[in-house]
Amino acid sequence: AQSVTQLDSHVSVSEGTPVLLRCNYSSSYSPSLFWYVQHPNKGLQLLLKYTSAATLVKGINGFEAEFKKSETSFHLTKPSAHMSDAAEYFCVVTPPHTGTASKLTFGTGTRLQVTL
Amino acid sequence: KAGVTQTPRYLIKTRGQQVTLSCSPISGHRSVSWYQQTPGQGLQFLFEYFSETQRNKGNFPGRFSGRQFSNSRSEMNVSTLELGDSALYLCASSLGGTGQETQYFGPGTRLLVL
Repeated sequence: AQSVTQLDSHVSVSEGTPVLLRCNYSSSYSPSLFWYVQHPNKGLQLLLKYTSAATLVKGINGFEAEFKKSETSFHLTKPSAHMSDAAEYFCVVTPPHTGTASKLTFGTGTRLQVTL
Repeated sequence: KAGVTQTPRYLIKTRGQQVTLSCSPISGHRSVSWYQQTPGQGLQFLFEYFSETQRNKGNFPGRFSGRQFSNSRSEMNVSTLELGDSALYLCASSLGGTGQETQYFGPGTRLLVL
């Protein structure tokens, strides 16, 4: 069984300050992990993914995440927030080598607000 | 390369009616998955199609059905609509549908049931 917990439903930061969106997972095996972003009235866009290669994963738009097995965490960070980063972010977990997409488990989402 | 497209983008229906949503995957992608997104339940997996066959199904009633055509385009149908079916329906495509692959999402179809 697997699950993912996004620890904050809402995060507010000022433009130019760091962003931290927290995600903890539970899995019986070493999972694959993803972060997706959803802007209003849009579909989900992949930010980055971890699939058992380097533990520090760099994604698009300056985001990165670090896989920490000992803490079962995959937190998303960005050094400096931009107004365009305001969106909802989803952490997703899936077991490795699964042959089907249906094993994706989505977190409940974190809404990021960026203020001037 | 064109992204995943979904039609229509918005729909308003009344209870008891049925609805058909369409999804065109990225060219070359053979796996199409459907998700329902609501404020209360979040993102929930509906079903996945691969090479015209339903490979997996989520925990939704039989009113929800789908199919995939030989060109990988997919449709989902909801019969006897209920108020609770109001949601954003997202489809996603990937090459072969394995868990490690990136799924590319369409913009969604927003369904409102009155």
